[in-house]
Amino acid sequence: LAKTTQPISMDSYEGQEVNITCSHNNIATNDYITWYQQFPSQGPRFIIQGYKTKVTNEVASLFIPADRKSSTLSLPRVSLSDTAVYYCLVGDRGGFQKLVFGTGTRLLVSP
Amino acid sequence: SQTIHQWPATLVQPVGSPLSLECTVEGTSNPNLYWYRQAAGRGLQLLFYSVGIGQISSEVPQNLSASRPQDRQFILSSKKLLLSDSGFYLCATEAGGLSYNEQFFGPGTRLTVL
Repeated sequence: LAKTTQPISMDSYEGQEVNITCSHNNIATNDYITWYQQFPSQGPRFIIQGYKTKVTNEVASLFIPADRKSSTLSLPRVSLSDTAVYYCLVGDRGGFQKLVFGTGTRLLVSP
Repeated sequence: SQTIHQWPATLVQPVGSPLSLECTVEGTSNPNLYWYRQAAGRGLQLLFYSVGIGQISSEVPQNLSASRPQDRQFILSSKKLLLSDSGFYLCATEAGGLSYNEQFFGPGTRLTVL
């Protein structure tokens, strides 16, 4: 399983765009990049997934460069409720989903 | 849509006491089920997964065991709790959506071992 590296924490203010970058230098050809969000005392929630280029949904955008050795989760115009821990995971689609969660990035959004 | 129930929501147990945490899933059949533990300030650690009744795979050696007596029931147990067993225990299943590696998590059980 490819190892991921993320910043431990980030601070932002309401209304700003937040970009969280994840490094995964050893990503394999069959690996997908997945991001989860976790609020205190809750289980993680799937946000977005991508393989290459750009993916956008109603919550976030995911930017993946051509070499796929990193990815950036972009949260547009964050609000206080976006304060959470964000996890970047890398894994293939085969077999069981043995997800490997690191310590994630703790995002604090202030007024 | 799927729903995961976990109980109890919180639990305080003395060292050496037994443990039984239950997870039940609604809205899906023959799901793959997962138990994770999250220690304070840490990421999630996969403990067990199950692909069917009576089928359990352990990811890490530990003081815990798991069982799956019914298709949509997953139980986490211990005969004697250790202080290091404290943490937030989460049951999960595959979301069944279009994305790979998309899991749906239950509300969790917060266990404190004193």
